[in-house]
Amino acid sequence: AQRVTQPEKLLSVFKGAPVELKCNYSYSGSPELFWYVQYSRQRLQLLLRHISRESIKGFTADLNKGETSFHLKKPFAQEEDSAMYYCALLSGGYNKLIFGAGTRLAVHP
Amino acid sequence: GAVVSQHPSWVICKSGTSVKIECRSLDFQATTMFWYRQFPKQSLMLMATSNEGSKATYEQGVEKDKFLINHASLTLSTLTVTSAHPEDSSFYICSAGRGVTRTDTQYFGPGTRLTVL
Repeated sequence: AQRVTQPEKLLSVFKGAPVELKCNYSYSGSPELFWYVQYSRQRLQLLLRHISRESIKGFTADLNKGETSFHLKKPFAQEEDSAMYYCALLSGGYNKLIFGAGTRLAVHP
Repeated sequence: GAVVSQHPSWVICKSGTSVKIECRSLDFQATTMFWYRQFPKQSLMLMATSNEGSKATYEQGVEKDKFLINHASLTLSTLTVTSAHPEDSSFYICSAGRGVTRTDTQYFGPGTRLTVL
């Protein structure tokens, strides 16, 4: 079964602390994974995708096929990073996305 | 670029009535559009995928006769919730894919909050 698991509903850290939002997936084949972010009262937007191997707003994510993980990391959290983060897996045809349950990141001053 | 709009942003209706939600890609042509629903504090669940000029593909468990999807042009898809009931109250979000390859980015609309009394 194709599935995305985000085990933490809430991650609370202080400003300047490192952040790791966990994402594990289940997929037969070569996965294509994304992180989406939803700031308060804003629409969902793409943060990064693993095929681009890019760093956006200081966030990075590495695909680990052995552990079937795609954890999102940032070395020093900022208050403006507070948002809902969703890990997503591209499934089948038509660019269908399967979303994880989401993790709320709260960065405190 | 790549802006997706939804109308209305919120709607309240009486039980038994039908509600239409529009999703438009404002500055690009969307070969594929997707409709999701999101319950409070839960993730997005894909309801259906629609391609311009063809029938929508519904996910398992989604009633196609209740959630009618029309994708008449490359910039407009509509979701009609027929004979709405309180359990249909939810946040409905559309997204649009600009390209034809599997990895093309989806752009999301701001969502429509439906409340059925």
